[in-house]
Amino acid sequence: GAGVSQTPSNKVTEKGKYVELRCDPISGHTALYWYRQSLGQGPEFLIYFQGTGAADDSGLPNDRFFAVRPEGSVSTLKIQRTERGDSAVYLCASSGGPQDTQYFGPGTRLTVL
Amino acid sequence: DAKTTQPTSMDCAEGRAANLPCNHSTISGNEYVYWYRQIHSQGPQYIIHGLKNNETNEMASLIITEDRKSSTLILPHATLRDTAVYYCIVSPPYGGSQGNLIFGKGTKLSVKP
Repeated sequence: GAGVSQTPSNKVTEKGKYVELRCDPISGHTALYWYRQSLGQGPEFLIYFQGTGAADDSGLPNDRFFAVRPEGSVSTLKIQRTERGDSAVYLCASSGGPQDTQYFGPGTRLTVL
Repeated sequence: DAKTTQPTSMDCAEGRAANLPCNHSTISGNEYVYWYRQIHSQGPQYIIHGLKNNETNEMASLIITEDRKSSTLILPHATLRDTAVYYCIVSPPYGGSQGNLIFGKGTKLSVKP
């Protein structure tokens, strides 16, 4: 079956611009996670949704980062006033529930010039 | 911070068993050991997890010491496609109430012909 998909695969933007990154989880998965991975590092947790609500957003680095999941399926990670330090691969994962295996998408590589 | 220690890199000859060690001396009684791997430019892929008994699936075997302070992931017949970064993660069942996984830097396994 279809796995987790993320769009775009690559995004290049200029410092100060706004970007949206999209995640389509596996159909029926209620839990959705966003992670960020910098070069040479492991993924770092950003936010976790159970259904439509953010159950844990403790990993969001500051208030420029925001994520939504209005219908409990697709999620969008939004970054305002991008900075060069935001450049990273943004990974999305989904699972059937918080106790289940997380399946990751291929990621979106964000480059802020 | 990650609660695990792994070697930075390892080499393995194609067709031989790859044994990847992980130290987790501060593991708590309810925490599981999870292994994920990440092939270049892809999202992390779940491999296996266990609590205290050894586990085996179609991808690998997980050997956990009796005191649970360390474990070894075994790929019985490594192929070139097993070249990846392997992450050992210690967590309550899939992050418990938070749901998130805490990744370290992992072990870069290079399988050579």
